[in-house]
Amino acid sequence: GAVVSQHPSRVICKSGTSVKIECRSLDFQATTMFWYRQFPKQSLMLMATSNEGSKATYEQGVEKDKFLINHASLTLSTLTVTSAHPEDSSFYICSAPPVASDPEQYFGPGTRLTVT
Amino acid sequence: AQSVTQPDIHITVSEGASLELRCNYSYGATPYLFWYVQSPGQGLQLLLKYFSGDTLVQGIKGFEAEFKRSQSSFNLRKPSVHWSDAAEYFCAVGAFNFGNEKLTFGTGTRLTIIP
Repeated sequence: GAVVSQHPSRVICKSGTSVKIECRSLDFQATTMFWYRQFPKQSLMLMATSNEGSKATYEQGVEKDKFLINHASLTLSTLTVTSAHPEDSSFYICSAPPVASDPEQYFGPGTRLTVT
Repeated sequence: AQSVTQPDIHITVSEGASLELRCNYSYGATPYLFWYVQSPGQGLQLLLKYFSGDTLVQGIKGFEAEFKRSQSSFNLRKPSVHWSDAAEYFCAVGAFNFGNEKLTFGTGTRLTIIP
C-alpha cells in the first residue's frame, strides 16, 4: 500500500529558531500533499495544501510567513516553522493522495514539535 | 461547505461487546466518506471508505460502516471489540474537486475498552 513517511518524528527546539519537517511519499508520486496540525485531544486542522511546482495554498488564519511550505519534488514536501514559539508546539501530520485528484489520503506518522 | 459531526467524544465498552460510533456529515452532493483510527502519538490509519455502490462497506480489523443518505450518516460498527481497538476514531468527508481534494474531519471519538 501507499506509504507516507515523516522526519523527524520528534523535535525539540528553542524559541526563536526554525525547524524543518519533511514529508515523503515512498512508493508513489504526489503532486499534492496536505499539512495538518493537531492539538492534544483534538481533531486535525488543515493548515495548507502543498502543490508540486507551485505555491502552497494556505487555509484561512494560517500565517504563510511563519509556516513555509516547499514541494521540492513529486515525493517530498517540507514544512518549516520559522521563529518558533511555545504556542507552535503541536503534532504536525502530512498526508498525500495515492491517486491524483482523489480525496482518499494516506497519512504520515506525524511529527511532535516542542518549542521551549 | 462540508462538515462532519461526531456526537460522542468518549465511549467506553467492555471487551467482546459490540460497538457503534456515530458520524453525521453535511455536504451538498454525494460525499466521499472515511473512517480513520489513530493510536496515541501516531498518524492516521484508514479503516474503510465509501465512494459509491454498496452502502455497507467492510474495512480492516473487522470494522464496517453503513452509508445512509436519508440520515446523512456513516456510522462505524464492530460486532466484538478487542482491547487493541482502544484508540481515537475520526470520521472524515472529502470532495472530488479536481486539484483541491480536501478532507474535513470530525472532532473524533475516543474509545476505551474495559477488560
